[in-house]
Amino acid sequence: AQSVTQLGSHVSVSEGALVLLRCNYSSSVPPYLFWYVQYPNQGLQLLLKYTSAATLVKGINGFEAEFKKSETSFHLTKPSAHMSDAAEYFCAVSDGTQGGSEKLVFGKGTKLTVNP
Amino acid sequence: KAGVTQTPRYLIKTRGQQVTLSCSPISGHRSVSWYQQTPGQGLQFLFEYFSETQRNKGNFPGRFSGRQFSNSRSEMNVSTLELGDSALYLCASSTGTTLQETQYFGPGTRLLVL
Repeated sequence: AQSVTQLGSHVSVSEGALVLLRCNYSSSVPPYLFWYVQYPNQGLQLLLKYTSAATLVKGINGFEAEFKKSETSFHLTKPSAHMSDAAEYFCAVSDGTQGGSEKLVFGKGTKLTVNP
Repeated sequence: KAGVTQTPRYLIKTRGQQVTLSCSPISGHRSVSWYQQTPGQGLQFLFEYFSETQRNKGNFPGRFSGRQFSNSRSEMNVSTLELGDSALYLCASSTGTTLQETQYFGPGTRLLVL
């Protein structure tokens, strides 16, 4: 079964600083990986996804993530944090059968705080 | 295109009662998945329906059940509520054809069990 580990349940950065949120996965097959963001009292919004087309994936709001198979990692970055980036971020791996069932396995989440 | 909608948004129940939550997927999407989100356990997969059939089920007791209608709308039911069932219940829809398809989430139903 697939699994995801997010290192750091809380990350705090200053406005304008680099954002780095870490995600490592465990998968016996080439994975499909996702980053979602959740603002308070809202559902999840997709930031970006890796589907093997390119190792560097660009998403919305200036976020990007790099798939590194040798490190089994899919870290999320943003060059310059904005106050509006404060939210909880979830890394997820698709765990199902191709053409069959769909299931996302999520990490525990990382709460990002942006300080003025 | 309208997004995923969930009703009701908030619900308060007492132990032993049952509850039904509803999810309307994005038009054209045939797959609906349900997730439970709690501070302690995080996001956990409940089940997934595709064309009115349950294709996958998570590790939850039989008190948790669901169904999907011919228009792809889905309901989940929790019987004999326990305090630990207090959570945000999220549904997500997708085309359901490949694992790389994006799942689009609704705003969730927040259930409080007293």
